[in-house]
Parts: sequence; C-alpha cells; structure tokens
Amino acid sequence: VQLVESGGGLVQPGTSLRLSCAASGFTFDDYAMHWVRQAPGKGLEWVSGISWNSIHTGYGDSVKGRFTISRDNAKNSLYLQMNSLRADDTALYYCVKDQDMDVWGKGTTVTVSS
Amino acid sequence: DVVLTQSPLSLPVTLGQPASISCRSSQSLVYTDGNIYLNWFQQRPGQSPRRLIYKVSNRDSGVPDRFSGSGSGTDFTLKINRVEAEDVGIYYCMQGTHRPPGFGQGTRLEIK
Repeated sequence: VQLVESGGGLVQPGTSLRLSCAASGFTFDDYAMHWVRQAPGKGLEWVSGISWNSIHTGYGDSVKGRFTISRDNAKNSLYLQMNSLRADDTALYYCVKDQDMDVWGKGTTVTVSS
Repeated sequence: DVVLTQSPLSLPVTLGQPASISCRSSQSLVYTDGNIYLNWFQQRPGQSPRRLIYKVSNRDSGVPDRFSGSGSGTDFTLKINRVEAEDVGIYYCMQGTHRPPGFGQGTRLEIK
C-alpha cells in the first residue's frame, strides 16, 4: 500500500496550486480519502475528506470555500485544488487512506510566501 | 467541533520505564453504531505519522505489544509498557466519530 503526493511548491499569496496523490497497492475506490496538513513545528490538522464515490466531501473551517477535494477512481488518484492561498496554508500536506487514517503518504510541501 | 485535549504535552521517560498519555474529548466518542472511533498515531522525527491503535484498543499490524490503548466515552489512554529508544516522537490521538475529524495537540515523548 502506497500513497505518493506531488504538486507542492513555493507560491505567492493569492495564487493557486493543485496537489495530487497517487495510490497503489489497494482497491482505491473502496475507501474514503483525506488530506491532513502539518505546519512547520506544529501538530496535525485535518484539511478535507472525500467518500469513495465522491458524493460526500468535507472541509476544515480554515480552508472552506478556498480548497476543493476530488478524486479519479479510474486513475487511483486524489486531488486538492487550493485557491486564494495564504501564508498560513504553508505546511506539509499528507494524503491519508480511509476513515480511520490507516496509511499516510510522505507528504508534499506547500510554501506560501511573497 | 469536538476538542481533544492531550496530557501531558511533554513526557520525559527513562528507558525501560512505562509511559502513559491521556486524551480527553469534549464530547462522547460513541458513534451510533456503538463503536468508538478513537485512534492513536506516532510520529517519529522526520517521518510521517503512523497509526498505532484504532477504535480505542486495537493494535495495528506490526505495532509492538508494549503499546496498548484503553478508554471509553470521553477519556482515553495510550500506554507504553517499557519505553524503548525507538519510541521517541510525538503521539497524537484522533477522533473520527464526529465530523469534522480532529487531532489532539500531540504529546512529545523523550528519553530522560
């Protein structure tokens, strides 16, 4: 079972970024998926989650209205579209499998700075 | 939203001695199906979080049996029987019973 995130980088405030997560080693469309982030030196913060069939999605208050989670089960991939990025979005973003968060990727770093 | 409060936030432990971390929830974590979706994670320095315990007391595959979880309702505990050097890191509780899911602040375990 493996989750590999990509798409992070250094961006200016107010711009957009799209993160991707490639899943392998399990039946992707059987599981809900999440994005969890960790700001430098800080704890874990749930960002967003999506059901196996994309019908149900949820967002943390700090990203609601700016971030959009999606998935493509045919490509075994999870995405996070991040708009109107702010400095406090700077973090390591993890892709996480299942409601009970049993498998985590290594993360992709997003830095928002002018 | 449910608030998870961990204590202590810093835990210095002598090698071979036991350690205990508390996680208290602002609401009952019993779901309508009767299960309690309270998990524990370990994050070693420079690594991704790793789930140790799910649904209060179930150890994940490969987790040493010196780790155990217990609790009910709003009070939960992670115990390490005899701390080893590889246990250094930050431990988080997490609830998945209520939406949104959330984490405790983390407890940093270090060797004295």
